Amino acid sequence: EAQVTQNPRYLITVTGKKLTVTCSQNMNHEYMSWYRQDPGLGLRQIYYSMNVEVTDKGDVPEGYKVSRKEKRNFPLILESPSPNQTSLYFCASRRTGLAVSYEQYFGPGTRLTVT
Amino acid sequence: QKEVEQNSGPLSVPEGAIASLNCTYSDRGSQSFFWYRQYSGKSPELIMFIYSNGDKEDGRFTAQLNKASQYVSLLIRDSQPSDSATYLCAVNPLWGAGSYQLTFGKGTKLSVIP
Repeated sequence: EAQVTQNPRYLITVTGKKLTVTCSQNMNHEYMSWYRQDPGLGLRQIYYSMNVEVTDKGDVPEGYKVSRKEKRNFPLILESPSPNQTSLYFCASRRTGLAVSYEQYFGPGTRLTVT
Repeated sequence: QKEVEQNSGPLSVPEGAIASLNCTYSDRGSQSFFWYRQYSGKSPELIMFIYSNGDKEDGRFTAQLNKASQYVSLLIRDSQPSDSATYLCAVNPLWGAGSYQLTFGKGTKLSVIP
């Protein structure tokens, strides 16, 4: 089954304790992306990657890091989490190319609470 | 700054009625447009995409695009309680480095009343 998986699905942590949220896709997609979703603010992009070893900042990158060492994996790293990073996080992937209709597939989400 | 505007709602319609969801965007370079449905606490799922002016129909859903007015809409005919969700409008430019980026609106919450 074609899918994007995220782990963990739920996480409660404390300020300053480094954490990693994993994201993996089995569709051989080149493009992967991380979003956070907050009430009243909608989906905002954190980082994206066009391919292995190619990453770039989205709209809200502060406090986050990413890496893309393998095509299928795109982990999100919070080196020193703060309460304002409490949010619902989504990983997504899609094919690249000239066709405009390539769907962006979303993972199931990770609900993070930082106390 | 690329912006996508949606009425946050909630939009309430009776079961069987037509629900009309609207979206405007600021970037004239936007070329493709997507409607996602998101149930509470779940991930967005794609309902429709459109990139040509006019209407595109898929079952009970019709997407309408007017690039001159920078306006895209989603009509849901014969609305069902299961259509109750938040609908996200997303746009992206076709060409260039940003052509895979999606800019999302904040979503319109739809409630279908039985």
